[in-house]
Amino acid sequence: QSVLTQPPSASGTPGQRVTISCSGSSSTIGSNTVNWYQQLPGTAPKLLIYSNNQRPSGVPDRFSGSKSGTSASLAISGLQSEDEADYYCASWDDSLNGPVFGGGTKLTVL
Amino acid sequence: QVQLVESGGGLVKPGGSLRLSCAASGFTFSDYYMSWIRQAPGKGLEWISYISSSVGTMKYAESVKGRFTISRDNAKNLLSLQMNSLRAEDTAVYYCARGRHSSGYYHDYWGQGTLVTVSS
Repeated sequence: QSVLTQPPSASGTPGQRVTISCSGSSSTIGSNTVNWYQQLPGTAPKLLIYSNNQRPSGVPDRFSGSKSGTSASLAISGLQSEDEADYYCASWDDSLNGPVFGGGTKLTVL
Repeated sequence: QVQLVESGGGLVKPGGSLRLSCAASGFTFSDYYMSWIRQAPGKGLEWISYISSSVGTMKYAESVKGRFTISRDNAKNLLSLQMNSLRAEDTAVYYCARGRHSSGYYHDYWGQGTLVTVSS
């Protein structure tokens, strides 16, 4: 079991808005920032969102992140076929004193 | 541009050892934390170890503590992971990643990964 909880799957049609949730605890998301990674099939993960809602250079503004309490969300608007990938949330765990990941959400574009 | 290139993966028997390397380029290696993160076949990401920029701090996940050792050579821009007493459950793709310790902690660049298979 992962320290952070994500739904195993999500789906949407092109152009739609999709959200992926990530649930943690007071020692993880409740007291630390949240990051999101995108892993396209057969490739290494790529940083998508850091510090809750910041996008690295080159990441389209269709991707946005938010955090509230011990939960966080990734929103993808204007869904495109190339967005089909696995998405992982991550945060710091004060108890572990290290980074932790969610189990990942497989996004399917119908 | 930032590049991280892992090497050293392969097939090893249970109880055996393996040493992974990660060659870094395109940035001042000695300024950054570095991590190893693994992904078992068909599974999610698991952080297993990080080392601070000055080699002052090393941390391990419980699953590898006492068996794996992380190290770095800032003069050679090289990150390493010595893996001993390997088990079948250590089978995974191992990624090295650059750590950023500002406004939280995150991994902004990842290597392409190297596959470690533990099997008799």
